[in-house]
Amino acid sequence: NAGVTQTPKFQVLKTGQSMTLQCAQDMNHNSMYWYRQDPGMGLRLIYYSASEGTTDKGEVPNGYNVSRLNKREFSLRLESAAPSQTSVYFCASRVPGQGANTEAFFGQGTRLTVV
Amino acid sequence: GENVEQHPSTLSVQEGDSAVIKCTYSDSASNYFPWYKQELGKGPQLIIDIRSNVGEKKDQRIAVTLNKTAKHFSLHITETQPEDSAVYFCAANYGGSQGNLIFGKGTKLSVKP
Repeated sequence: NAGVTQTPKFQVLKTGQSMTLQCAQDMNHNSMYWYRQDPGMGLRLIYYSASEGTTDKGEVPNGYNVSRLNKREFSLRLESAAPSQTSVYFCASRVPGQGANTEAFFGQGTRLTVV
Repeated sequence: GENVEQHPSTLSVQEGDSAVIKCTYSDSASNYFPWYKQELGKGPQLIIDIRSNVGEKKDQRIAVTLNKTAKHFSLHITETQPEDSAVYFCAANYGGSQGNLIFGKGTKLSVKP
């Protein structure tokens, strides 16, 4: 059981370049999330998708866009990368049909450096 | 906005001692409080969670307590082992039962042999 799979695991970008972080889950979860993790800042929600076809902003959405391609896949796009977006990005998903009182499963993370 | 405060940010204990991490939350509608463990280079993994209808939950060496009146909850690890060394995050849902999780800033636990 693969769970939540993120690609790539590592990436270095130059300022102004664009890229898409990919996430896929095989647990038939309705809800998917993108977080960023910075030293001393915990996990901050960038965007989320409560169900296929919907996306909403989280706490720190500026500079990012998302696409819920289908029930399995939720991608995060940086249109013009900035050094402030250097971070570790985590995708997560949740068990369907049980509201918020459910375990979130996380991917292994993407370590992104913008120079 | 809604907030989850977590203390301490770092904690060092001797093997066999107990470790306690405390969190407070601000949203009175929060009713789900999970704890995650993150090992180096990996994503966070759920270790225990508690819902608002109980005050304490235990799973072997790990326990969580919840005080809804005071809006705080705590993680207790007894008989710590070197493999308990990791970063621990608390979280709470906000905005009611359909809400997303807000995470604390994490506690780096070091267990010295």
